[in-house]
Amino acid sequence: GAGVSQSPRYKVTKRGQDVALRCDPISGHVSLYWYRQALGQGPEFLTYFNYEAQQDKSGLPNDRFSAERPEGSISTLTIQRTEQRDSAMYRCASSAGTAGNTIYFGEGSWLTVV
Amino acid sequence: QQQVKQSPQSLIVQKGGISIINCAYENTAFDYFPWYQQFPGKGPALLIAIRPDVSEKKEGRFTISFNKSAKQFSLHIMDSQPGDSATYFCAAIHTGRRALTFGSGTRLQVQP
Repeated sequence: GAGVSQSPRYKVTKRGQDVALRCDPISGHVSLYWYRQALGQGPEFLTYFNYEAQQDKSGLPNDRFSAERPEGSISTLTIQRTEQRDSAMYRCASSAGTAGNTIYFGEGSWLTVV
Repeated sequence: QQQVKQSPQSLIVQKGGISIINCAYENTAFDYFPWYQQFPGKGPALLIAIRPDVSEKKEGRFTISFNKSAKQFSLHIMDSQPGDSATYFCAAIHTGRRALTFGSGTRLQVQP
């Protein structure tokens, strides 16, 4: 695609429910990243993949958060048993190479837990 | 621990003026320092970046100044235009790790 595509753009869920956020990176991009951005703050790193391999998940807040990229393209970030503190913008990004520093961000998925 | 500190939080500049945003970092392992521009409803977009082996990089109206000994870097926007009104984020990365660390952002408003 032309850019990084994320869905849903907006998600309201009740506390305790599981949510899945989808990211479709720029076609051909090898690396895929997940960030979380609270209102008025900069993005905070969660995890990243090279191809289908999850290389670094040190930013995931706890074990309720997981991510996968089974075929090296589309990725899903899953939050289990959501809590109000999980409310934030979740941004996906991708880059062309495994060592490249130019990453391209999507427009994000805004999650509200009520 | 906030590894990249950004100031000011907000900035109002008249059209044609110079906008200056400052950042300071703590981790000496950082080796790449990009600036991102974010418009409302959009994701951050890379604006300009610098490596610590140079003290300045200029691209059009945008200049990064880098002071390695002070662990500080800044973005200067010359001849600021209303279209520059956006939130600007500095960031830093250790390329061996691949995770960007962002500052908290500066909301720039350029008045016509």
